This record gives sequence, C-alpha cells and structure tokens, in this order.
Amino acid sequence: GIQVEQSPPDLILQEGANSTLRCNFSDSVNNLQWFHQNPWGQLINLFYIPSGTKQNGRLSATTVATERYSLLYISSSQTTDSGVYFCAVNGYSGAGSYQLTFGKGTKLSVIP
Amino acid sequence: EADIYQTPRYLVIGTGKKITLECSQTMGHDKMYWYQQDPGMELHLIHYSYGVNSTEKGDLSSESTVSRIRTEHFPLTLESARPSHTSQYLCASSEYAGSEQFFGPGTRLTVL
Repeated sequence: GIQVEQSPPDLILQEGANSTLRCNFSDSVNNLQWFHQNPWGQLINLFYIPSGTKQNGRLSATTVATERYSLLYISSSQTTDSGVYFCAVNGYSGAGSYQLTFGKGTKLSVIP
Repeated sequence: EADIYQTPRYLVIGTGKKITLECSQTMGHDKMYWYQQDPGMELHLIHYSYGVNSTEKGDLSSESTVSRIRTEHFPLTLESARPSHTSQYLCASSEYAGSEQFFGPGTRLTVL
C-alpha cells in the first residue's frame, strides 16, 4: 500500500512564529487532505489539495503530485493552532475502491 | 445543517459487554467509513460502505461488525468488548469513492 511520511514528528513554536510541515507519499494518489486534530480528538478538514496551492487565512498548502509531496504552511502561529496535523492520501486500492491512508502526524505546540 | 453525528462521545464499559457505536450523517453522501485511532497514533480504516447493503473490511483487521440498512446510518457493533478494543473510533463520509472525506467527532471507548 501507499506509504505516507510526515515531518517533523514534533514541533514547538513561540506564538507568532511561522512553520512548514511536510508530507511525502510513495505512489501516485487521487487526492490529498490535511487535517487538524484538536485536543478533543475531532478531525477538522483544512485542505483538500490533490495538486497546486490553496490558502485559507493564515494557513496555506501546496501539493506537487509529480514529486509526491505536500507542504502545509502556518503563519503567525497562535496557541489555538496547537494539536496534531495529519496528512492523508487517497489512492486506488483495487476493485473500484479507494482508501485514505494517514501519516503519523506532526504534533504542534504553540507556546505564549 | 449538513453534518456527521456520533454517539456516544465517551463510553466506559466492562469486558464482555455488547456495544453499538452510532454514526449518522445529513451530508447526503453515499460513502461512509469507520476508522480506529489509538492514542497518539494515526487513523486506520476498519470498515467502509459504498451504499445500502454494501459493507467491506478495511486494511486494519477488526472484530467489530457494521451494517448499512439506511443511507444516512452506519452503526458499528462489538459483540463482546475486550480491553484491547479500547481506542477512539471515528466515522466519516464522502460524496463518492476517492473524494474528500468529512469526519464526525469520534467515540472514545474504554473497556475495563
């Protein structure tokens, strides 16, 4: 199956700092999603980005499908950005089905 | 408002009990999924359904079972809970196979 690697595994930022999270994947994929998991365990959709660049407020994401990686940028970080960021790729798994495969996540802690 | 609902949010039960985790969605989606997530780990697909009366197992082996009698409802059942079933269970849906997935708030299950 498709392998998804995220880096760094842990990140500590001072409030106001910028950061870049990386997601590498091992094979061609149908699409890619970025999620933020809050302390209560809920997964919040950040981006659905099979290719190209998207921006939403202080967050932006870029996926280069031909080189099999995606980047999530967080600017002017806030304490509410803390949590785990997951990258997940959707690939064809045969017999008309697709599977969303998750990376292990990046745990972000933003300190005041 | 279109959403995905899971009940209960938290459940603590004794070994050997039968439990059903509920998942319902008002997104109008045909495709629904169940994921299992151990603390601090990534999500793994355990079941999915592409329509009424259609269910398949995911990559991660699970002793749970699912049913899909109505489009909007996708319950998960454990016939005899064990401590090894302690985990978070998240339900998701998508418009079609391979498209963006949206997640419910999850159920945290603890089996004593």
